[in-house]
Amino acid sequence: EPEVTQTPSHQVTQMGQEVILRCVPISNHLYFYWYRQILGQKVEFLVSFYNNEISEKSEIFDDQFSVERPDGSNFTLKIRSTKLEDSAMYFCASKPGRGKPDTQYFGPGTRLTVL
Amino acid sequence: GENVEQHPSTLSVQEGDSAVIKCTYSDSASNYFPWYKQELGKRPQLIIDIRSNVGEKKDQRIAVTLNKTAKHFSLHITETQPEDSAVYFCAASILWGANNLFFGTGTRLTVIP
Repeated sequence: EPEVTQTPSHQVTQMGQEVILRCVPISNHLYFYWYRQILGQKVEFLVSFYNNEISEKSEIFDDQFSVERPDGSNFTLKIRSTKLEDSAMYFCASKPGRGKPDTQYFGPGTRLTVL
Repeated sequence: GENVEQHPSTLSVQEGDSAVIKCTYSDSASNYFPWYKQELGKRPQLIIDIRSNVGEKKDQRIAVTLNKTAKHFSLHITETQPEDSAVYFCAASILWGANNLFFGTGTRLTVIP
């Protein structure tokens, strides 16, 4: 069964550095998402992406964040100047297009640690 | 925006007993309610979902009920097994476009053998 994949599994960075988290959604899916989960807390929506543009974004998704689909397979989340509070598990998810099952399939996550 | 509350935060049951987890939501426009199971260090995985046009859905030992009027929905696991031990998250969204998920705070279920 196809799965969403994410790299790296763990990223350690210094505060103020830029990081790029990578995701490969399931190949025929059209909607892509980033969520984050601070340790011990709930999963929080960051941004959704459809038709090569941001569909919705949360209050968390401020100017330090950006997303991109640089080619037909990758979907990236860039954090420009990391802060300590960005430390979290970041999940990518994807979903088929409209008229198909609504299930969002999650990747295994990237644990980001900001020192 | 949508706010999802989930109770209890932890739940311990004896193997074979039933477990019930409850969620409430705030946005009456929400019409899709999935439940995810997350084992330690793993990705959230969908176990069951329900749309607002039905009141109950069952899949083997798992069932979900929805009360639209009261804006609450529940997960029922019967005949619990040790492998059911995990964190369970409820979520709510609107089936329109991207339907971003708004998650509850999670319930850590422990099934005692």
